[in-house]
Amino acid sequence: QVQLVESGGDVVQPGRSLRLSCAASGFTFSAYGMHWVRQAPGKGLEWVALISYDANNKEYADSVQGRFTISRDNSQKMLYLQMSSLRTEDTALYFCARWNGDDSRGAVDMWGQGTMVTVSS
Amino acid sequence: DIQMTQSPSSLSASVGDRVTISCRASQTISTSLNWYQHKPGKAPKLLIYVASNLQSGVPSRFSGSGSGTDFTLTISSLQPEDFATYYCQHSYRAFGGGTKVEIK
Repeated sequence: QVQLVESGGDVVQPGRSLRLSCAASGFTFSAYGMHWVRQAPGKGLEWVALISYDANNKEYADSVQGRFTISRDNSQKMLYLQMSSLRTEDTALYFCARWNGDDSRGAVDMWGQGTMVTVSS
Repeated sequence: DIQMTQSPSSLSASVGDRVTISCRASQTISTSLNWYQHKPGKAPKLLIYVASNLQSGVPSRFSGSGSGTDFTLTISSLQPEDFATYYCQHSYRAFGGGTKVEIK
């Protein structure tokens, strides 16, 4: 079955760390760039980070630069997001997403269901 | 950074209505524009890519147009399952703020 399944969401205190995982199945994971996108409660979609198919290129939104690290394991078909120094404003539903195409003429053609991260004292 | 502005932020419509949603880029982006549908508790769904290309499996009542800075998503005849929030996206970085389509 072609799908992305996120896990790892939790309730954590500000300043703590958390790692999200995304398991891919049903497609050639190593051929696609992958992204994390989040949605804060009552807000719209916000791009968080990307990693190229071979992990040679990584980019981050300004809001998470220096605190979050995206990585992947192509042999296990897994995508990760290591989040540190978490802030209350990082509270959101985090989606794993597959990017199909090049940077300017591609799109997210597959999304996971999301995993919820709540940062609260 | 390029900013994407959607209008309206919400609208009320009836089944069978023609609905148009606008998306404006802060600078020219050629046709680098995608549209997604998002329902609460579900994964977002790609509708239109590169401004006007219908994603496989998406009903033909959805269409996209535009280039440069101004883009439009049109639903030709609104169906009950179309009540959702719609987002435009430029490249991978910039989402619009969303347009919530509600039942009148």
